[in-house]
Amino acid sequence: GNSVTQMEGPVTLSEEAFLTINCTYTATGYPSLFWYVQYPGEGLQLLLKATKADDKGSNKGFEATYRKETTSFHLEKGSVQVSDSAVYFCALRRGGSEKLVFGKGTKLTVNP
Amino acid sequence: ETGVTQTPRHLVMGMTNKKSLKCEQHLGHNAMYWYKQSAKKPLELMFVYNFKEQTENNSVPSRFSPECPNSSHLFLHLHTLQPEDSALYLCASSQEGTPTNEKLFFGSGTQLSVL
Repeated sequence: GNSVTQMEGPVTLSEEAFLTINCTYTATGYPSLFWYVQYPGEGLQLLLKATKADDKGSNKGFEATYRKETTSFHLEKGSVQVSDSAVYFCALRRGGSEKLVFGKGTKLTVNP
Repeated sequence: ETGVTQTPRHLVMGMTNKKSLKCEQHLGHNAMYWYKQSAKKPLELMFVYNFKEQTENNSVPSRFSPECPNSSHLFLHLHTLQPEDSALYLCASSQEGTPTNEKLFFGSGTQLSVL
């Protein structure tokens, strides 16, 4: 079946450090891929998405590229801020009628 | 503000209590969802309603009973819960059948503790 595997957390970084959160997926066909973010005390929000191979999603300085050959969608940011502290979820959706499949989430803490 | 409001934010209940979680969306969406978020586990989809009709029930125990009286409101009725049901319960909505249907809008959740 469809599944998403993301790196175990928690991840702790200093401000302005480089961030990578790994995400790989298993799915038949060509799913759409997403990163959602959950700030403390809030629900999830869509951060970025990519709908086909080699697409790059980007938002708020975060980027992720849809790599079909490695079935990956790693999240990166060149310089993290304290306000980026949150839980990040990788997710996929195989088609318009199917539901989102989420990973377990990776907690990021950025220290000043 | 995501346009999806959940109440209460926190709930503590005993195993013999009956309580309900409420979700309201102000986005005009036609689909609503209940998710369960537990530590160190993937987000679990519990129920889906499209146009007020339940279209998915992911083997959820009968002690959880959803209700969708209209396309803007969704309830989760709780009865005889177990301590392992303690979790954050998230409501979400989306507009199915459109190019933007992949985006879910989430509420802030109800943090449930079962004693």
